[in-house]
Amino acid sequence: DTQMTQSPSSLSASVGDRVTITCQASQDITNFLNWYQQKPGKAPKLVIYDASNLETGVPSRFSGSGSGTDFTFTISSLQSEDIATYYCLQYDNLPFAFGPGTKVDLK
Amino acid sequence: EEQLVESGGGLVQPGGSLRLSCAASGITLSDLYMDWVRQAPGKGLEWIGRSRNKVNGYTPDYAPSVRGRFIISRDDSKNSMYLQMNRLKSEDTAIYYCVQILEGYWGQGTLVSVSS
Repeated sequence: DTQMTQSPSSLSASVGDRVTITCQASQDITNFLNWYQQKPGKAPKLVIYDASNLETGVPSRFSGSGSGTDFTFTISSLQSEDIATYYCLQYDNLPFAFGPGTKVDLK
Repeated sequence: EEQLVESGGGLVQPGGSLRLSCAASGITLSDLYMDWVRQAPGKGLEWIGRSRNKVNGYTPDYAPSVRGRFIISRDDSKNSMYLQMNRLKSEDTAIYYCVQILEGYWGQGTLVSVSS
């Protein structure tokens, strides 16, 4: 089974800061990786699909990169509405697996 | 507008059973692979199962944590998917979401509480 590690588990940043989250897979998952944003009491929302593609309607300050085992999620300029928990998901092989999440809050 | 709506959650005793429903509108579920994802209170997301599409016989797969206890099924006439949960344990307490991963569709979730 593919295991996903994600770091950091939490971070505090100021509005306008660049925020970077990493996800690592225990084996090659090519680019079958999504990033989700989840706000309290809400269902997760797809932000990046296939590692680097921006979901329709998502602001361009969000981006993703990577392939194989190492992936990066970036918010180029943090906004207050970006405060949330972010998860990666590998869907290359079953059982699919989420990373443990990164909680982003304001400093 | 595409929408997934889960229902059927509630309080159940350990060892009991519950069936969740996922009703779709704006999309035809029989064309799609569909998944179930859950989230225990204050915890992260856990993938628990998948149903392939009609062309692939709705063949299911399950996470080890629920295999042998949970069953995914479909009803084309109702454009719906179901999660039959048997031999429930306290650790099954969670919000359950039905999800179409490739298209990014998520329901609002339904809460299952397993407690005596």
